[in-house]
Parts: sequence; C-alpha cells; structure tokens
Amino acid sequence: TQLLEQSPQFLSIQEGENLTVYCNSSSVFSSLQWYRQEPGEGPVLLVTVVTGGEVKKLKRLTFQFGDARKDSSLHITAAQTGDTGLYLCAGPPNSGGSNYKLTFGKGTLLTVNP
Amino acid sequence: GAVVSQHPSRVICKSGTSVKIECRSLDFQATTMFWYRQFPKQSLMLMATSNEGSKATYEQGVEKDKFLINHASLTLSTLTVTSAHPEDSSFYICSAPRWTGVETQYFGPGTRLLVL
Repeated sequence: TQLLEQSPQFLSIQEGENLTVYCNSSSVFSSLQWYRQEPGEGPVLLVTVVTGGEVKKLKRLTFQFGDARKDSSLHITAAQTGDTGLYLCAGPPNSGGSNYKLTFGKGTLLTVNP
Repeated sequence: GAVVSQHPSRVICKSGTSVKIECRSLDFQATTMFWYRQFPKQSLMLMATSNEGSKATYEQGVEKDKFLINHASLTLSTLTVTSAHPEDSSFYICSAPRWTGVETQYFGPGTRLLVL
C-alpha cells in the first residue's frame, strides 16, 4: 500500500510569512498532485508534478517533486488570508490497478491570520 | 469552469430515509468515478469506485447495501445513502478522471448531508 505522509498537519501563520508543506512517501509515484480545498467545497487541483526534480511555480506557490519521485513540497511566499484552506497531496498507483485511484495524504490545514 | 458537478449541494433528511446524490462530468466522459467521504478538517476517505456498465468496487469497511452506487451513463454516477442515520452525516465528494497528459482527477463541489 502506498502511503503519503503530509506535514505539518496544522499550520497557523501571520499574513506575509513564508511556509512549506511536505508530502513524503517510501514509495515511488509516477506523479503527484496538489490540491487546495476551502470549507464546504471540493478540492481544486493546483498542480501536477511528473518529472523527478521538477519545480513548478504558480504565482506565490512553488511546488517541487523530489529527484526520486518519493516526496514533494509546496512553498508559499508571503502568505495571504486567501491562502487559507486544506492542502492535500495525492498520487496515482504504480501498481497498474484501478486507473486514477488516488492515494491522499492526510492534508495540511493552513490558516493565514490577518 | 467546473468540470464535475454534484447535486444537491446540501440536503437535510430525517433518519430512516434514503438520499440520492448525483455526480456529473460536464464536458467529458468518465467510465470511472470515485466517491469520497470527508469529516471536518480531515482528508478525503475513498468509499468506492463507480464503474460504468459494471458493479461498483467498495473500499474495505464500506457497506455496499448502505451506500448504493449506480453509474448510469458515461457522465453520471449516483450515490444513494439508504436508511440514513445521524452518523451518516458528512461531506460527500465525487471525482472523475480526465486524461490531460497525466492522470488528473477533477472533483465535484461536494454534498453536505445532515441526517436528523
């Protein structure tokens, strides 16, 4: 069973601060996805990383995929209150089983205070 | 814009009644859809895989007779919570995969179920 460990589980910071969220596994993933979910809504895809060592930027968000494709990180620069939400990492199986059946991390609940 | 819709967004029902939740892929076909359950401030828990033209595949611990899934067409899957009880109150989310060069899941906006 492929597991994804996210840390920290909870994070409360002040507006303007930087933060990093980690997503780690002992298994290799062909790709990893990051989602943000706001209360009462479904998760929204932020990015998919595919290549080991890949770095993708989405405005103030920087996503990195580990060289061995076992881990990923999300760094937010100068956090804003609108960044508040549950951040989830997820990856598809390598076993060739059910297509698109994602393994989810437990999530990082981020609160950015004004 | 949204690529997966859910209906209803919120539902309140009495204990013992059944509730149907619809999940639609809006501009693409999905032979597979997934149903999740989420408790407050927690991650998504996969309940079952909905397969068009065949039976759904349920995760361990999920009651098949309690959560009926029907994949009626290539764009519609339904989840029926039968004989609902207060402990079934939760946020139910569906997703559908769409090939974008890599495996990508698109999630519906979720359905908040409250059983009184």
